[in-house]
Amino acid sequence: QVQLVESGGGVVQPGRSLRLSCAASGFTFSSSGIHWVRQAPGKGLEWVALISYDGHNKYYADSVKGRFTISRDNSKSTLYLQMNSLRPEDTAVYYCAKDGYGDLGWFDPWGQGTLVTVSS
Amino acid sequence: DIVMTQSPDSLAVSLGERATINCKSSQSVLYSSNNKNYLAWYQQKPGQPPKVLIYWASTRQSGVPDRFSGSGSGTDFTLTISSLQAADVAVYYCQQYYTTPLTFGQGTKLEIK
Repeated sequence: QVQLVESGGGVVQPGRSLRLSCAASGFTFSSSGIHWVRQAPGKGLEWVALISYDGHNKYYADSVKGRFTISRDNSKSTLYLQMNSLRPEDTAVYYCAKDGYGDLGWFDPWGQGTLVTVSS
Repeated sequence: DIVMTQSPDSLAVSLGERATINCKSSQSVLYSSNNKNYLAWYQQKPGQPPKVLIYWASTRQSGVPDRFSGSGSGTDFTLTISSLQAADVAVYYCQQYYTTPLTFGQGTKLEIK
């Protein structure tokens, strides 16, 4: 079955960097757009970024543009999120999610998430 | 950006009764070229990631019980649970995928009365 497993979360000081990974299995990774979506503690859902199936097209929320970079390695079926200049407001559970339509659609399925805490 | 606004923020319904959650978008999410509404609904239970229930505003995801249904077009949408079960206690979100940035409603917390 389709499975997404995030890793790389942790506690980091403001201004520092962190890289998240999302290992995919159970589907043809190279044929699907993949998203990052985050959820601050006790809050709602916020879309962060999308990368197209071939990695050529990338889209970002304004709140992370210029600080975060989404990338993928189709040979490893792995998605990444490089997060630089982290701020306390980036504290959240970060989920990777497969695009349910192709390259711009609903999110299905989701991984279990990895918690990023930005604090001094 | 397309702003998604859900109502109500919270809802308490008796077991076996109908629950209705509304979602309004700040602009139409109906694509005229294919007559599809680019709107999805999710359910999130405590400690779990969200799960898609409905996409294209009214297409139920495989495995989702048929007591869940979606309706609406353009800017106004509704998620209906026809007969509330205890397992349906969760937060529900709508989401538009008409354009980036993809945006969610603020969520509606559904509880048992």
